[in-house]
Amino acid sequence: DAGVIQSPRHEVTEMGQEVTLRCKPISGHNSLFWYRQTMMRGLELLIYFNNNVPIDDSGMPEDRFSAKMPNASFSTLKIQPSEPRDSAVYFCASSGTGQETQYFGPGTRLLVL
Amino acid sequence: AQSVTQLGSHVSVSEGALVLLRCNYSSSVPPYLFWYVQYPNQGLQLLLKYTTGATLVKGINGFEAEFKKSETSFHLTKPSAHMSDAAEYFCAVSGGGGADGLTFGKGTHLIIQP
Repeated sequence: DAGVIQSPRHEVTEMGQEVTLRCKPISGHNSLFWYRQTMMRGLELLIYFNNNVPIDDSGMPEDRFSAKMPNASFSTLKIQPSEPRDSAVYFCASSGTGQETQYFGPGTRLLVL
Repeated sequence: AQSVTQLGSHVSVSEGALVLLRCNYSSSVPPYLFWYVQYPNQGLQLLLKYTTGATLVKGINGFEAEFKKSETSFHLTKPSAHMSDAAEYFCAVSGGGGADGLTFGKGTHLIIQP
């Protein structure tokens, strides 16, 4: 299996621009998680989906952030408008039914100028 | 609610020496516990996990960890450090039978001295 795929791997944008991060989970996995990693706050859970339905979005920092999972093989995390404090590495992870192990993608390194 | 505390943001050991990375957790439900490793500019890779059953769990690359409920700890050990073990290590906890998101510790940067 190809593992969790994230795109782009690197993104540089200017403050105020819209940013869309993409994730393809491992085929057959039914849970998908978005995390953010920063030096100050470490790794934080932003939101997770089960069977394409958002279960817990309490970690989403504010209304500028939104996430969707239109089908079992694709999810997006959108930031609009972006701010310099959004600069971080964003990870997507997936897990299978009844499986507690989450498999992480390589991450998207976002820099907002 | 869960939380994880990793003692020591940086740990330095000599090659061949014992590695001990400390993790204490707090959980209102029986925890599932994990150790992940992150190499520079890469994602996280699972080292080992505790769900139920045997409290001493063995993982990849010679690492193991012991779940001690009375001490709310899940320390990671390796008898003999190798240069390739240099990385960032994260302890994480999950409630709800592991179906929830993970709560991570701040991480411990392991440095291996030649």
